[in-house]
Amino acid sequence: ETGVTQTPRHLVMGMTNKKSLKCEQHLGHNAMYWYKQSAKKPLELMFVYNFKEQTENNSVPSRFSPECPNSSHLFLHLHTLQPEDSALYLCASSEQGTGGTEAFFGQGTRLTVV
Amino acid sequence: GQNIDQPTEMTATEGAIVQINCTYQTSGFNGLFWYQQHAGEAPTFLSYNVLDGLEEKGRFSSFLSRSKGYSYLLLKELQMKDSASYLCAVEDSNYQLIWGAGTKLIIKP
Repeated sequence: ETGVTQTPRHLVMGMTNKKSLKCEQHLGHNAMYWYKQSAKKPLELMFVYNFKEQTENNSVPSRFSPECPNSSHLFLHLHTLQPEDSALYLCASSEQGTGGTEAFFGQGTRLTVV
Repeated sequence: GQNIDQPTEMTATEGAIVQINCTYQTSGFNGLFWYQQHAGEAPTFLSYNVLDGLEEKGRFSSFLSRSKGYSYLLLKELQMKDSASYLCAVEDSNYQLIWGAGTKLIIKP
């Protein structure tokens, strides 16, 4: 248990579906992240929120829509996804702003788009 | 561009020693992390190096050479539970983490 909880752990959705991934942290961190992890590829940073404000959007397609209602919760809304979006989606949190602070990861949501 | 290189896969024997290398080219440097990720689980923090030299933590050690853009993770007295992926990540000048693709370590009896 890392202090970062993600739900659901597994999700299968069709290309026309709409679903949301949820992340929750109770570590008092000021930054939260969404990452995409595909097989044999580096972790891809998708979005960064610092004090609830989005500070990074790394050219992510608009079919992924993040929401950060407060500093403890982060959502990733999904709609009209493509099969190549199938991957492990990881949420993380950290105390951003100073170097050397480790990120704490959730266990991820394994997403399959059919 | 920014780039982190590490071997895709390594195999070692239980009880032995293994060294996993990581080379990097990034926009600035504010430190290098190693994370461990067991299959189906979250990555967990192993070590952080910001100055040159060796940091030892039990069976695991991490080394950094900033002039060479190089780090390694050294695992001693390997145990079966050490079978996992090991991720190298560099914190760039904006304090963003740039990740390698990970090295899958297979431990054989």
